[in-house]
Amino acid sequence: AQSVTQLGSHVSVSEGALVLLRCNYSSSVPPYLFWYVQYPNQGLQLLLKYTTGATLVKGINGFEAEFKKSETSFHLTKPSAHMSDAAEYFCAVTPLVGNEKLTFGTGTRLTIIP
Amino acid sequence: GAVVSQHPSWVICKSGTSVKIECRSLDFQATTMFWYRQFPKQSLMLMATSNEGSKATYEQGVEKDKFLINHASLTLSTLTVTSAHPEDSSFYICSAIGQGTGMNGYTFGSGTRLTVV
Repeated sequence: AQSVTQLGSHVSVSEGALVLLRCNYSSSVPPYLFWYVQYPNQGLQLLLKYTTGATLVKGINGFEAEFKKSETSFHLTKPSAHMSDAAEYFCAVTPLVGNEKLTFGTGTRLTIIP
Repeated sequence: GAVVSQHPSWVICKSGTSVKIECRSLDFQATTMFWYRQFPKQSLMLMATSNEGSKATYEQGVEKDKFLINHASLTLSTLTVTSAHPEDSSFYICSAIGQGTGMNGYTFGSGTRLTVV
């Protein structure tokens, strides 16, 4: 079984500051990990994903995440926050990219302070 | 890239009526569709998984007679909320995977805001 824990339901950072959103996972098999962003009343947009290979994954909009197996973590970072980054962020895990369901974390709402 | 079109974006219906939500894969064949429900300020909860041509597999606690899912073709899946009640008001999102989704895997629709009055 898979599960995801996102520490911090709300994160506020100043514009231009580092963004760090935390995600820890639990999986009985090698996981595939995803970060999604959701704007109000919209669906989910893929930011980045880890399947195999390089553990540092770069995504869209300047975001990146590092898969750390020893820490069972997949934290999302961005060096410099922009006002447009304000949204809800979800970490998700699945054991296989196929017809397996995604298991989502509870989400982190990111607020950018001007 | 892979696109999933979900309609309607929002719907208001009277209590006791039924509402149908459609999800269409526009440029790929969706072999599997997932239907999620999202309450305000909460995460996505999987309701059911459907494979084309097969009966949907519902998650524990989801009433299959209330939330009817049809996946009759590789490009269309529908969710019908039957005899809707105010507690069914929520944000419903579909997701699809299949040939053409490439390395992104799961493609999400834009969601449907259902309000039952």
